[in-house]
Amino acid sequence: AQTVTQSQPEMSVQEAETVTLSCTYDTSENNYYLFWYKQPPSRQMILVIRQEAYKQQNATENRFSVNFQKAAKSFSLKISDSQLGDTAMYFCAFGTSGTYKYIFGTGTRLKVLA
Amino acid sequence: EAGVAQSPRYKIIEKRQSVAFWCNPISGHATLYWYQQILGQGPKLLIQFQNNGVVDDSQLPKDRFSAERLKGVDSTLKIQPAKLEDSAVYLCASSPTRTGYNYGYTFGSGTRLTVV
Repeated sequence: AQTVTQSQPEMSVQEAETVTLSCTYDTSENNYYLFWYKQPPSRQMILVIRQEAYKQQNATENRFSVNFQKAAKSFSLKISDSQLGDTAMYFCAFGTSGTYKYIFGTGTRLKVLA
Repeated sequence: EAGVAQSPRYKIIEKRQSVAFWCNPISGHATLYWYQQILGQGPKLLIQFQNNGVVDDSQLPKDRFSAERLKGVDSTLKIQPAKLEDSAVYLCASSPTRTGYNYGYTFGSGTRLTVV
């Protein structure tokens, strides 16, 4: 079975500091894609960053970067220079051609403190 | 481009009543998804449409949930009769093709359903 696990239900970080959110997954597929989505109180899921499993290079989007360890099936999100607007739920998700759909983790609630 | 539109934003109903949610995807997006997000959990796919056909409804409780996308554009998700455990946020998402799993979906803001 394909699963996504986020072991940190809640985290907090001081404004301007760096925080890392963890995600592990399990699959027997070789070709898959990993995502981090942000869900603010408005409830709309917003794509933060995307990683293709066949690429060794870690994805980066401005202040957001990932540490993708394929052998360990780990996909963590690092947020640098945290801002108050980063306060939200963050979901790790996994998609494959085997299922044509996402599987989401249970989320990490991140609070950025002023 | 306009985003994925959903309505209503909130709904409170009594158990055993019926309710319907509406979703209008991004223009031209062939694939539409309905997700159920129970408090404290990640979203779970209920049903996936490719144009007006169902491609995955394996996790849809078909005894009480139904969905349609008659003209391959907007979609309606219905619950009849509702149970307390149906309280959740119902998210609609769309992607240009069925391979949206590899580059990301566009989500709407969801409908928060409370069953009392």
